[in-house]
Amino acid sequence: NAGVTQTPKFRVLKTGQSMTLLCAQDMNHEYMYWYRQDPGMGLRLIHYSVGEGTTAKGEVPDGYNVSRLKKQNFLLGLESAAPSQTSVYFCASSYSIRGYNEQFFGPGTRLTVL
Amino acid sequence: SQKIEQNSEALNIQEGKTATLTCNYTNYSPAYLQWYRQDPGRGPVFLLLIRENEKEKRKERLKVTFDTTLKQSLFHITASQPADSATYLCALGLSNSGYALNFGKGTSLLVTP
Repeated sequence: NAGVTQTPKFRVLKTGQSMTLLCAQDMNHEYMYWYRQDPGMGLRLIHYSVGEGTTAKGEVPDGYNVSRLKKQNFLLGLESAAPSQTSVYFCASSYSIRGYNEQFFGPGTRLTVL
Repeated sequence: SQKIEQNSEALNIQEGKTATLTCNYTNYSPAYLQWYRQDPGRGPVFLLLIRENEKEKRKERLKVTFDTTLKQSLFHITASQPADSATYLCALGLSNSGYALNFGKGTSLLVTP
């Protein structure tokens, strides 16, 4: 099992450019999440999904869109990148069993917006 | 406002001692609390989960306590080793947001030989 994988690992964008971050999991998890991690801020939830075809906003959703067309994939899109979106992005997934929600994280994508 | 507070200062201890990390929270009623380990340049890795009706959980050298009255969790690593050096994150799980987690900022632990 590869677990949770993220593509790409690194990316540099110019302000205004768009890009999509791909997250894939092979554990048949229902729940998937996108976080960003900034120095001194900790992990903050951007968007999450409780199943195929469903998404919801987290704590910091502005400037991002997501899609969950297949159960195993969760895409995070930046339509018009801004320097404030420079961060490390982590995808995570978890089981749907109520009360037990260990999250499995990917290795992260380091994004720099110039 | 809701807050999750972990010691912002790094914790330095000697090998073999017990490390104790603190997680305090305000204005939350978590269904459970989790602890993760994060090494530089990597994603967090799950360590332990404790539910709101549990007082203590153990796993090998790790022990977590959860006091919902004090709104505090303590994370202990006994017989610490240099390999335990990492950042430790506490996270609260809420039952009304798809079990998404709210993370603290983490505490850095350094175990010296």
